Amino acid sequence: DAGVTQSPTHLIKTRGQQVTLRCSPKSGHDTVSWYQQALGQGPQFIFQYYEEEERQRGNFPDRFSGHQFPNYSSELNVNALLLGDSALYLCASSFTGGSSPLHFGNGTRLTVT
Amino acid sequence: AQRVTQPEKLLSVFKGAPVELKCNYSYSGSPELFWYVQYSRQRLQLLLRHISRESIKGFTADLNKGETSFHLKKPFAQEEDSAMYYCALSGSGGSYIPTFGRGTSLIVHP
Repeated sequence: DAGVTQSPTHLIKTRGQQVTLRCSPKSGHDTVSWYQQALGQGPQFIFQYYEEEERQRGNFPDRFSGHQFPNYSSELNVNALLLGDSALYLCASSFTGGSSPLHFGNGTRLTVT
Repeated sequence: AQRVTQPEKLLSVFKGAPVELKCNYSYSGSPELFWYVQYSRQRLQLLLRHISRESIKGFTADLNKGETSFHLKKPFAQEEDSAMYYCALSGSGGSYIPTFGRGTSLIVHP
């Protein structure tokens, strides 16, 4: 089992551009959560997807959107990139039903110039 | 709102010394607490959770509801314990989104 996989590993974009990050959950998991981790900070919750719908959302603007596919994989889209969006984006999968622990991917390092 | 505070950004100890990484939380309901760890060049992973009441790699953590704390302890630190440690809180009542603290970097010197 490869666990949670994320792509790409690194990405450099220019202000104003749009970006799509991808995540495949651990086998058997049906829930995907996305986190943003700025340098020196803990992961900040962006949103969670279950049954192809956004179930909960953190304090992030509408520029951040997502999608979950029938195979449980997920995408995170960020529009109109700002310099402050530069961060490590973590995907975590879990099994729904109670407070199932999160299994994290290695993350995508996004740099906005 | 739920909140997790890890007051120490860095904790530096010598091998064999006791370790305590502090975590305080704020939550009005019944919380579930976790410790996650990230070793160098590895992904963030679960270390332990309070409902399991188990010891992992010699680490234990007890939930103290009176003091709203969930400190992580180990009696004798090892060099391989050097890592970034994050305390996380999940709320009950359907809100199972973990909120993370900013993390504490533990360095164990030989």
